[in-house]
Amino acid sequence: GAGVSQTPSNKVTEKGKYVELRCDPISGHTALYWYRQSLGQGPEFLIYFQGTGAADDSGLPNDRFFAVRPEGSVSTLKIQRTERGDSAVYLCASSSPSGGTGELFFGEGSRLTVL
Amino acid sequence: SQELEQSPQSLIVQEGKNLTINCTSSKTLYGLYWYKQKYGEGLIFLMMLQKGGEEKSHEKITAKLDEKKQQSSLHITASQPSHAGIYLCGADSPRGSGGSNYKLTFGKGTLLTVNP
Repeated sequence: GAGVSQTPSNKVTEKGKYVELRCDPISGHTALYWYRQSLGQGPEFLIYFQGTGAADDSGLPNDRFFAVRPEGSVSTLKIQRTERGDSAVYLCASSSPSGGTGELFFGEGSRLTVL
Repeated sequence: SQELEQSPQSLIVQEGKNLTINCTSSKTLYGLYWYKQKYGEGLIFLMMLQKGGEEKSHEKITAKLDEKKQQSSLHITASQPSHAGIYLCGADSPRGSGGSNYKLTFGKGTLLTVNP
């Protein structure tokens, strides 16, 4: 597709379960970002990939959160032992290598609900 | 850390009216981004400002960054129902301070409702 694709769009899970959220960036975009948006808040930075490597993971809240991008394209955000406080919309974005306007292209997000 | 405060938190206007949304930073802004978000959708890029006094326009939306680079405003002229949504300002960190120019700090957003 032409835009950033995220799956699933909605995920309901029970406390303590493991979840994976997938992001398929725009073709050719080497930079990929994960943000988390809680209700009534702006998005908060989680992690930034340049190619296959995590260039900046300073926003990951704790070691239950992990993200990979093994082939430099699709990325998976993994959350272990989910807690109710993890409920939020997880947004993925990508950007072109040339930088341009600095625009990040966001997906529609994956809404995670932990019961 | 940098904090962005947006005002108002929410705004209801009649179609055709002008409106302004403000974004104030606790620190000097090195890059200020305006995004729009509709419920259930991702963020849509509107504009980026970098220079003090800079002003950019796209269709009926104008964004300005003040000379001191600590405040930005977004002005919509002759609002339409299609302008409704959440407007978010985001700021990047200056390079050399350990920040990435894409590690944005966002405000909480301004919810705009335009009544026909």
